[in-house]
Amino acid sequence: AQSVTQLDSQVPVFEEAPVELRCNYSSSVSVYLFWYVQYPNQGLQLLLKYLSGSTLVESINGFEAEFNKSQTSFHLRKPSVHISDTAEYFCAVSLFSGAGSYQLTFGKGTKLSVIP
Amino acid sequence: SQTIHQWPATLVQPVGSPLSLECTVEGTSNPNLYWYRQAAGRGLQLLFYSVGIGQISSEVPQNLSASRPQDRQFILSSKKLLLSDSGFYLCAWRGRNQETQYFGPGTRLLVL
Repeated sequence: AQSVTQLDSQVPVFEEAPVELRCNYSSSVSVYLFWYVQYPNQGLQLLLKYLSGSTLVESINGFEAEFNKSQTSFHLRKPSVHISDTAEYFCAVSLFSGAGSYQLTFGKGTKLSVIP
Repeated sequence: SQTIHQWPATLVQPVGSPLSLECTVEGTSNPNLYWYRQAAGRGLQLLFYSVGIGQISSEVPQNLSASRPQDRQFILSSKKLLLSDSGFYLCAWRGRNQETQYFGPGTRLLVL
């Protein structure tokens, strides 16, 4: 069974500073990796995903994440955060299986607070 | 394009009352559908998933049930709500042979 650990439950950061939200996973087989963002009282929005190919994936709003197979990590980074990035971020893994149900396993989330 | 709807957006119910939450998906056929609950400090918990009409798999034993009467409709129900049923309920869909789940706007349920 796979599991996901988000090491920080809360991350405060000043506006325009860089940020890294950490995510580690455990799985004995190949996985797909996702980052979702949740703004207050809203559903989860897909931020970016790693399925295969380049280990560095980017979102349209400046976030990027790098798949590191040896360290079983998928950390999320942004070089300069904005107030509007304040939200909760969830890392998730899904088993690679052609016949499976692609169940997602989520981390407990990291609340990013951007301080003006 | 595909869209997913949930209603109601917010619900306040007394303990012991029944519950019905609805989720519908537009713009796709034969999706996989999911119900999650998000409780404070507990992350997202998968409650049910469905691979087709009338096919429901339960992940967590509880007093909730789910039904899929139509291809793009997924309903979460309870006969008698408990205080512990309070939370934020999220519906999600995934296309066949695709890897990504997409979430609805959620329903905030408060049981008093």
